[in-house]
Amino acid sequence: GAVVSQHPSWVICKSGTSVKIECRSLDFQATTMFWYRQFPKQSLMLMATSNEGSKATYEQGVEKDKFLINHASLTLSTLTVTSAHPEDSSFYICSARAGARNRAGELFFGEGSRLTVL
Amino acid sequence: AQSVTQPDIHITVSEGASLELRCNYSYGATPYLFWYVQSPGQGLQLLLKYFSGDTLVQGIKGFEAEFKRSQSSFNLRKPSVHWSDAAEYFCAVNILTGGGNKLTFGTGTQLKVEL
Repeated sequence: GAVVSQHPSWVICKSGTSVKIECRSLDFQATTMFWYRQFPKQSLMLMATSNEGSKATYEQGVEKDKFLINHASLTLSTLTVTSAHPEDSSFYICSARAGARNRAGELFFGEGSRLTVL
Repeated sequence: AQSVTQPDIHITVSEGASLELRCNYSYGATPYLFWYVQSPGQGLQLLLKYFSGDTLVQGIKGFEAEFKRSQSSFNLRKPSVHWSDAAEYFCAVNILTGGGNKLTFGTGTQLKVEL
């Protein structure tokens, strides 16, 4: 299957700093990427949908100024957690869909990035 | 709104025993259905999916799932569980709507395998 890679896989930062997480589709072009957040022992919560070349669509309750998403190319989306605080500590997972935006289909998931804010 | 329910938060089975993980969805039409597995600290791996056609679908690692429209269910099964199957399992639903195209996950079922 297709491969999606996230970097870094884990990061520790001080409160108030910003952290960028990259999500790359390695062998396919991803017109749409999704960012999820997962708290310990809980399900994945969709944060935002990222379409190449346009602004991300954020889910209700997700602060767009806090979680900046950029999808500048068909193989790369980035999530920047700005002015991170301890409550932002979580496991962030990206996924990518190949093909047309308006078609349902399989999502390929990255390995996840664990953020710990001290 | 669409929703996915996984009634069992935890399930423990003995190695070699059969397994069934339950998944129910709420939606008026036939959705696209998926089962994913997640090992601790890892991303998600697709086990199998149902889009249309044969309601019994085969996946990787010996898993299968059956779509039952009348019950709005998509239960995951495996005839003989291996210790390496211990993980978190998520059922997911993807529905195309005028407002978008999103994947909604169930709350997950944690599988423990006793040796």
